[in-house]
This record gives sequence, C-alpha cells and structure tokens, in this order.
Amino acid sequence: DQQVKQNSPSLSVQEGRISILNCDYTNSMFDYFLWYKKYPAEGPTFLISISSIKDKNEDGRFTVFLNKSAKHLSLHIVPSQPGDSAVYFCAARFNFGNEKLTFGTGTRLTIIP
Amino acid sequence: DTGVSQNPRHKITKRGQNVTFRCDPISEHNRLYWYRQTLGQGPEFLTYFQNEAQLEKSRLLSDRFSAERPKGSFSTLEIQRTEQGDSAMYLCASSLVPGLSYGYTFGSGTRLTVV
Repeated sequence: DQQVKQNSPSLSVQEGRISILNCDYTNSMFDYFLWYKKYPAEGPTFLISISSIKDKNEDGRFTVFLNKSAKHLSLHIVPSQPGDSAVYFCAARFNFGNEKLTFGTGTRLTIIP
Repeated sequence: DTGVSQNPRHKITKRGQNVTFRCDPISEHNRLYWYRQTLGQGPEFLTYFQNEAQLEKSRLLSDRFSAERPKGSFSTLEIQRTEQGDSAMYLCASSLVPGLSYGYTFGSGTRLTVV
C-alpha cells in the first residue's frame, strides 16, 4: 500500500521557468512532510519541510504548499536552474515515535537550458 | 566531521554469501536509521536506533537481516544468505534531536548486487 504517491515519474522544465512537483498521501495521521533531492550516486539531501498546521513554507527559490483536505502537497521551484536537475522525493512522517519517513517513488526533474 | 559515511560504496556478492555494511553517523547524532532503495522506488524504512538501542524494525527486515549499533556510535547491517531480491541501495541516515523539521542526513549508500 503506497501511502505517499508521486504520480509523475518525470518532468522537464525550461531554465528560468517554474517547476511544480506534486505529491499525494493517503494517511491523514501524517503530521510532517518533507522534500528530498537526490543526485545519482549520492544519498537524498533534505530540501524543505512543512508541518500539517501550515499551508505554505518558503525557503529561497523553494516553496512547499500543503492542502490537507485534498491530502496533497506540491513543491515549487522558481526560477528553475540547471543544478536543480535531480530526482525529488516527497516524504511524510507522524508526529510521534521514531520519525520514520515514508517516501514516494520520486519525480525526475530535468531543467532544459 | 563531514557527514554520514557508509562503507563499502559497492558490494557484489554471490547468492548465499553473507555481507556486512558499516555506517558512521555524524558524531553527535543520537538517532541512526537504515533504509533500502530499489530501482524506481523511494527509500523504504528498515530499522532505527536511538543510541545503542534498536527501537523499531520494519517487516521488510527478515530474519536474515540484523543490525547493531554498539556503544551508540557506528552501526552495522548484516545480511545472511543473500538472495537476488536483496540487491538494492542500502542507505544510512542520522539525526540529532527528534521533533525538528529539518529532516535527517543521509549517507551516500552502499549498493549491493547479488549475482
């Protein structure tokens, strides 16, 4: 049972434009959501997170939006840069216990120069 | 201290052999996690430690898998009698304080290939 879903395996965006990556989840008990970025042959790197009590969190070029009623979150990257080309994973966790993360399957973002 | 270190980076083994991976977390981090990632999937939780205590194990972790974290420092993950289905990237991560929103720090992983 895939509790965190990223339905777009890949996305191509022109440099300078906005990249929007989407993520859906099924478990309403998830309390925290995180985005990780992964380059080949490296481990995932934490990018940005959002608590379920918020609907938006911004950090530089990266903004995460959370729609709890729709169980949907999205990551916006503006403007997109070639170095943003990577696989992006959405992850979720509960606000109790071990901070175990449940990951989506990832979206490969390619920024076209 | 430059981050989470995992060794070896790559391991090729014959089916039925035992393998052991090592993870050195960021020194002051008290929590250590093991994840497994197969092709086309996101990382899946295997187990985690708080200091030297193993507090949770996933159902993915069969009896052939064992993890230890002696003295609450480095950790080892052993797979006995490897099977082809064990081929994956094994990721280790560590974190300092539970409840913070910054996520945890992953190592670069150990890629296991069982032939």
